Amino acid sequence: DAKTTQPTSMDCAEGRAANLPCNHSTISGNEYVYWYRQIHSQGPQYIIHGLKNNETNEMASLIITEDRKSSTLILPHATLRDTAVYYCIVRRTGSNDYKLSFGAGTTVTVRA
Amino acid sequence: GAGVSQSPSNKVTEKGKDVELRCDPISGHTALYWYRQSLGQGLEFLIYFQGNSAPDKSGLPSDRFSAERTGGSVSTLTIQRTQQEDSAVYLCASSATGGGSYEQYFGPGTRLTVT
Repeated sequence: DAKTTQPTSMDCAEGRAANLPCNHSTISGNEYVYWYRQIHSQGPQYIIHGLKNNETNEMASLIITEDRKSSTLILPHATLRDTAVYYCIVRRTGSNDYKLSFGAGTTVTVRA
Repeated sequence: GAGVSQSPSNKVTEKGKDVELRCDPISGHTALYWYRQSLGQGLEFLIYFQGNSAPDKSGLPSDRFSAERTGGSVSTLTIQRTQQEDSAVYLCASSATGGGSYEQYFGPGTRLTVT
């Protein structure tokens, strides 16, 4: 998988939007951008993924630049329960592409 | 519905002892994965089971590690003659079927401490 670069940490205010950046300048044409998060003492949780188009679900929105070299995960109204480590990865989704691998991620702290 | 469950949640063992970690996947999920996460490290793939196919054991770090999945459901990860470097959180995940396009749902993990 291509590598990603994320800030080590960020703080955000409860109730405000949290914008988490990710750089993936070496992404290949058949690789998707995936976001996961891991709340303390829990297993990782899938958030959202996309290929080229922006995506939205009940948890978040994903904005991918036109050149696909970077993306932003948006938590529209951050709550204290959104405090977690957020991982951005790029990966293929073929039948043999089942091994997930995370880096250090971004530690997000939502403050009241 | 019920998610992936793992037991025990915490395990402290002495160096040289064997340990067994259990994973109950989501009912009906045919694919099951074991990973581990060491302090300050990322996620490390260990082993993958899909239906009746031969498991992918390529991530097991040594022959002290083994896993089995009985009846296509519950899985047990066994570590023999534990070493201090085996201390980590062991995570189990399952997905509806195998391959890279199906979401993996993770359990809460078992925190293993080898003293």
